[in-house]
Amino acid sequence: EVQLLESGGGLVQRGESLRLSCTASGFPLRSYAMSWVRQAPGKGLEWVSGIGDDGVITSYADSVKGRFTTSRDNSKNTLYLQMNSLRAEDTALYFCARTRHAIKAGYYFDYWGQGTLVTVSS
Amino acid sequence: QTVVTQEPSFSVSPGGTVTLTCGLSSGSVSTTSYPSWYQQTPGEAPRALIYNTNIRSSGVPDRFSGSILGNKAALTITGAQAGDESDYYCVLCVNGDFRYVFGPGTKVTVL
Repeated sequence: EVQLLESGGGLVQRGESLRLSCTASGFPLRSYAMSWVRQAPGKGLEWVSGIGDDGVITSYADSVKGRFTTSRDNSKNTLYLQMNSLRAEDTALYFCARTRHAIKAGYYFDYWGQGTLVTVSS
Repeated sequence: QTVVTQEPSFSVSPGGTVTLTCGLSSGSVSTTSYPSWYQQTPGEAPRALIYNTNIRSSGVPDRFSGSILGNKAALTITGAQAGDESDYYCVLCVNGDFRYVFGPGTKVTVL
């Protein structure tokens, strides 16, 4: 069974840093691209970042570019999101999502974790 | 900047049919945007329904179908059930790159 478990969320002050983790099980993480998607309280979903299966390709939404860094350790089946210079508007539930990103497999998020909450206090 | 549009809300009767759309503030949605659709109920993670315009994700009933209608992607729910009451999001892949943009979501009420 595919499972994704996010951790590392919490309450931080504006300008501080936080690192989120997403531990995968039930499938070989090394074979899949992954993404981070967030949802501010009472708001819609926003794609934040993506990373290719080998970690070479990374991509970011304009809203976090230069502040957030996505990485992965396939040997530990873990995805990371390093968040620096946090702002109040970064307050959200952060989901990791397995990402199909290929012509044959499709372009979409097929499995999601339950999310970890990040709250940035000003 | 890619801005995706969706209807804010829809109401459908039990057993009825509703079609949600997903457009662009500037331009048209086509199959090369690889539109996908997700269902989210409050407090839950999103669930993939449709990808690559019209392919149902594993386990999704055939009451859900995807298509291109004019210059928009569309999600049609036929035979609506109470359990279909959710928020529905479309996502477009930008230029085939590893960049995705979510629409604002459509809240569907079944009553």
